[in-house]
Amino acid sequence: QKEVEQDPGPLSVPEGAIVSLNCTYSNSAFQYFMWYRQYSRKGPELLMYTYSSGNKEDGRFTAQVDKSSKYISLFIRDSQPSDSATYLCATTGRGGNEKLTFGTGTRLTIIP
Amino acid sequence: NAGVTQTPKFQVLKTGQSMTLQCAQDMNHNSMYWYRQDPGMGLRLIYYSASEGTTDKGEVPNGYNVSRLNKREFSLRLESAAPSQTSVYFCASSERDRPQPQHFGDGTRLSIL
Repeated sequence: QKEVEQDPGPLSVPEGAIVSLNCTYSNSAFQYFMWYRQYSRKGPELLMYTYSSGNKEDGRFTAQVDKSSKYISLFIRDSQPSDSATYLCATTGRGGNEKLTFGTGTRLTIIP
Repeated sequence: NAGVTQTPKFQVLKTGQSMTLQCAQDMNHNSMYWYRQDPGMGLRLIYYSASEGTTDKGEVPNGYNVSRLNKREFSLRLESAAPSQTSVYFCASSERDRPQPQHFGDGTRLSIL
């Protein structure tokens, strides 16, 4: 079993819809949670960074962490064609040199 | 502000050839990483360097070597390329002192024939 599981999709939604992307993890030591966006033929870029449980909002994006169920989510409101990309979740523990563990990514397409 | 720069962007090699992938960052980060990304496998860590002068193996180190040339530069070498090493390679960097997000380059697309 992988430490981080992510549905690979692909996921297609119409423009303006709310998108929900999800990951589950198995290691209770994970404390920091990130979402990266990766456009085709580009490197991953950091989208959201959260610590422990709760919600964090940044514009149209909301990251949600539920440590009790080991479940992390990214919500995109008013989705735009420019949101079409692969979204990767990532997590790491508390230590200073802890390495990131990534999900495999979900490919999202927003249909105009 | 270049961030993380990788060279080359594309490369085709024949089985058995050697090659060095270059990476440089201008963010004064202590830690640097090499990943490979394959369909359905996600990002897998090959090697990392927590600070200048140190390197450690990641999840899939076999067939690779690395050099942390200085604080800015971290290179990945394939001594004898194999078709299984066909992949997209990403370099990343981060601050060292606490769990921090990593900043990625745009990758090197490598094909081994």
